[in-house]
Amino acid sequence: NAGVTQTPKFRILKIGQSMTLQCAQDMNHNYMYWYRQDPGMGLKLIYYSVGAGITDKGEVPNGYNVSRSTTEDFPLRLELAAPSQTSVYFCASTLVGAANYGYTFGSGTRLTVV
Amino acid sequence: DQQVKQNSPSLSVQEGRISILNCDYTNSMFDYFLWYKKYPAEGPTFLISISSIKDKNEDGRFTVFLNKSAKHLSLHIVPSQPGDSAVYFCAASDKRAGGYQKVTFGIGTKLQVIP
Repeated sequence: NAGVTQTPKFRILKIGQSMTLQCAQDMNHNYMYWYRQDPGMGLKLIYYSVGAGITDKGEVPNGYNVSRSTTEDFPLRLELAAPSQTSVYFCASTLVGAANYGYTFGSGTRLTVV
Repeated sequence: DQQVKQNSPSLSVQEGRISILNCDYTNSMFDYFLWYKKYPAEGPTFLISISSIKDKNEDGRFTVFLNKSAKHLSLHIVPSQPGDSAVYFCAASDKRAGGYQKVTFGIGTKLQVIP
């Protein structure tokens, strides 16, 4: 059981470049989330999705875009990378929206923008 | 505005003793509180949760206590084991429009269990 799979694990981007962080889950979870964690900070929600075709902004959506064409996949797109987007990115999923069940997180993507 | 605060960045405990991790919050609308554990180079792992209508929830060696009047919760690990060495995140959720549960995370406390 793979759970939540994120690729790549590490990436270095130059300012202005674009990339897509991939996230896939095999648990048939409806809800999926993208978080970023900066050093010494808690996780901040970037975007979330309550099901295929439905996405919404979180706390820090600027500079990012998402899509959810299938239940399994929830890619995060950075169009014009900036140094402020240097962070560790975590994708998470849960079957229902009730947070007391806890999220299943991927292992993260460490992104550096130089 | 930091609604979930973990004021201790680190904690060291001897193996076999009790570890107590603390968390304070400011939003009285939070309805669930959760703890996650995170090892280096891995994603957070859900540990235990508690509803705002309860004051205690226990799961094996892990117990979470909630004091609503003080807006304070704590995670007790008894007995502590070296494998418990990790960063522990406190989190709290409140329901938003459309049924979405917004989860707010603290900055984490690094626990070191010394053999």
